[in-house]
Amino acid sequence: GAGVSQSPSNKVTEKGKDVELRCDPISGHTALYWYRQSLGQGLEFLIYFQGNSAPDKSGLPSDRFSAERTGGSVSTLTIQRTQQEDSAVYLCASRGEPGGSNTGELFFGEGSRLTVL
Amino acid sequence: AQSVTQLGSHVSVSEGALVLLRCNYSSSVPPYLFWYVQYPNQGLQLLLKYTSAATLVKGINGFEAEFKKSETSFHLTKPSAHMSDAAEYFCAVSHGNTDKLIFGTGTRLQVFP
Repeated sequence: GAGVSQSPSNKVTEKGKDVELRCDPISGHTALYWYRQSLGQGLEFLIYFQGNSAPDKSGLPSDRFSAERTGGSVSTLTIQRTQQEDSAVYLCASRGEPGGSNTGELFFGEGSRLTVL
Repeated sequence: AQSVTQLGSHVSVSEGALVLLRCNYSSSVPPYLFWYVQYPNQGLQLLLKYTSAATLVKGINGFEAEFKKSETSFHLTKPSAHMSDAAEYFCAVSHGNTDKLIFGTGTRLQVFP
């Protein structure tokens, strides 16, 4: 597709369950980011994939959170044993190859809204 | 490490009035700076960006921002607010075009008739 696609758009789950959120970046984009947006908290960086390099996981809030990117394209963010404080909108973004016309702009999907009951 | 501070979580203006949304950054190297806008129930959209070229940057929808190194600021302005400008605005900083963006906590703009 032309833009960043995320699924599901909405997910309601029970505390303690695992959830998977999916992101399809813009075709050809080598960098992929996950952010979390909570009410009044702005955008919190979670994890960053750049090509074949080791991901920057410095923003993951706990070991219940993990992400992978298969084949350099689609990414899945997994939250294990969900807690109520995990409720937020999870945003995915992608960016093109470094250099050339790339000036660091991120292109965002519309997010996956997670509600943990 | 780089960071941004957005002063004022809520700003209210009358239609036709000047819009001023404040952003101050902290960075040990020349930064790349961005303003994004998020309309209700939508994703983030780039308004404008500074990448070490002209210090006055013009973006979409009549917005502009000026990079002031001496003040470590990148405030967003628009001369005349429209009702359609009501949204949340985020300032962000990175160290270059291969680095992660660090966002501020956002400023919600309300426009009254």
